[in-house]
Amino acid sequence: GAVVSQHPSRVICKSGTSVKIECRSLDFQATTMFWYRQFPKQSLMLMATSNEGSKATYEQGVEKDKFLINHASLTLSTLTVTSAHPEDSSFYICSARTPNQGLGYGYTFGSGTRLTVV
Amino acid sequence: AQKVTQAQTEISVVEKEDVTLDCVYETRDTTYYLFWYKQPPSGELVFLIRRNSFDEQNEISGRYSWNFQKSTSSFNFTITASQVVDSAVYFCALGEYGNKLVFGAGTILRVKS
Repeated sequence: GAVVSQHPSRVICKSGTSVKIECRSLDFQATTMFWYRQFPKQSLMLMATSNEGSKATYEQGVEKDKFLINHASLTLSTLTVTSAHPEDSSFYICSARTPNQGLGYGYTFGSGTRLTVV
Repeated sequence: AQKVTQAQTEISVVEKEDVTLDCVYETRDTTYYLFWYKQPPSGELVFLIRRNSFDEQNEISGRYSWNFQKSTSSFNFTITASQVVDSAVYFCALGEYGNKLVFGAGTILRVKS
């Protein structure tokens, strides 16, 4: 089945530095990927939708200059948290849209990245 | 706008009890998809089921069963004979055709031995 690999699984960084999170589709081409953020004991909130070869579409309230998304190939999307601050500490999860057998689409999720900014 | 409501914030049951997790959704689309995911403490989302809007058949998979009723916009999930390993956060999600998923707030299930 479709597999999405997300790295790193955990990262600790100093306040003011940037962190890059990678999301790779291993056995399929992902034209569309989604990035979610999940704060402790809360639900997953969509941050942005990235389409290969074009600019990402950000949800309302998400700072596009702070959360840089690049989807330069059909198998890789990256999220860079720039000038990270403690309030950016969260669980980030990527998801790739996968063609589903039969009608419609499915969604495959990465294993998530736990970011801690100190 | 799409919306998913999981009114049960937390449920506690004793092992072997049956438990039903509720999910109510709102959408204007005629074609949509409903999902259930399990999130254990490790954080990884585990896919449980996907249901198309035009397929109202209920489904059973082992101890899991799902009841989809378009008339009440509900997609409830029942675990029969619950086990401690079922303890997790369960999310219901709604997706338009090929587009983003909207998640409910999640229900924390605690199964005690």
